[in-house]
Amino acid sequence: KQEVTQIPAALSVPEGENLVLNCSFTDSAIYNLQWFRQDPGKGLTSLLLIQSSQREQTSGRLNASLDKSSGRSTLYIAASQPGDSATYLCAVRLKGNYGQNFVFGPGTRLSVLP
Amino acid sequence: EAQVTQNPRYLITVTGKKLTVTCSQNMNHEYMSWYRQDPGLGLRQIYYSMNVEVTDKGDVPEGYKVSRKEKRNFPLILESPSPNQTSLYFCASSLFAGGHEQYFGPGTRLTVT
Repeated sequence: KQEVTQIPAALSVPEGENLVLNCSFTDSAIYNLQWFRQDPGKGLTSLLLIQSSQREQTSGRLNASLDKSSGRSTLYIAASQPGDSATYLCAVRLKGNYGQNFVFGPGTRLSVLP
Repeated sequence: EAQVTQNPRYLITVTGKKLTVTCSQNMNHEYMSWYRQDPGLGLRQIYYSMNVEVTDKGDVPEGYKVSRKEKRNFPLILESPSPNQTSLYFCASSLFAGGHEQYFGPGTRLTVT
């Protein structure tokens, strides 16, 4: 059964730092991996989607990489800002078991201090 | 604007009183899904639908029902809510079930007393 883990569980950094969030998954048979941002008590905002054939995606200060063979993805945030404070979730979309196929990690809670 | 909407956003109810949480998407997506999010357990799938009149159970379907009579709507029904269904619920949709981006609604916070 696919398991998705995220390290660290929580992270606190001063404003301006570059940081890396990690996501690991156990089964490499995936369609894609999606990174989300969730503010407390709010919905999920999609940040980046990486298809299984891609190595990375970039959007502004965010860069996500995917190494399917090793079951890892990283989300790189450049020049962090207090507004980046949120929980970051990764989710993999599995091949097979066609409909029941989206597995989330537990999230990394990020605090960026002014 | 392309979006997934849910109603209500907040609901407090009592044990046993039937309720429905509506979900609607305006992107002509075929795939829709419901999740619940609980502290320490993360997001878990309740039910999903591959298309109109096609629904199936996710990981935690007990105590829930769904229907998909129209492509845009996918309501979640709690026939007899219990306190263990207190949670944050999300509806999501994507074009198809495969390698397509999934879009999430804003969430419904349900409290059952």
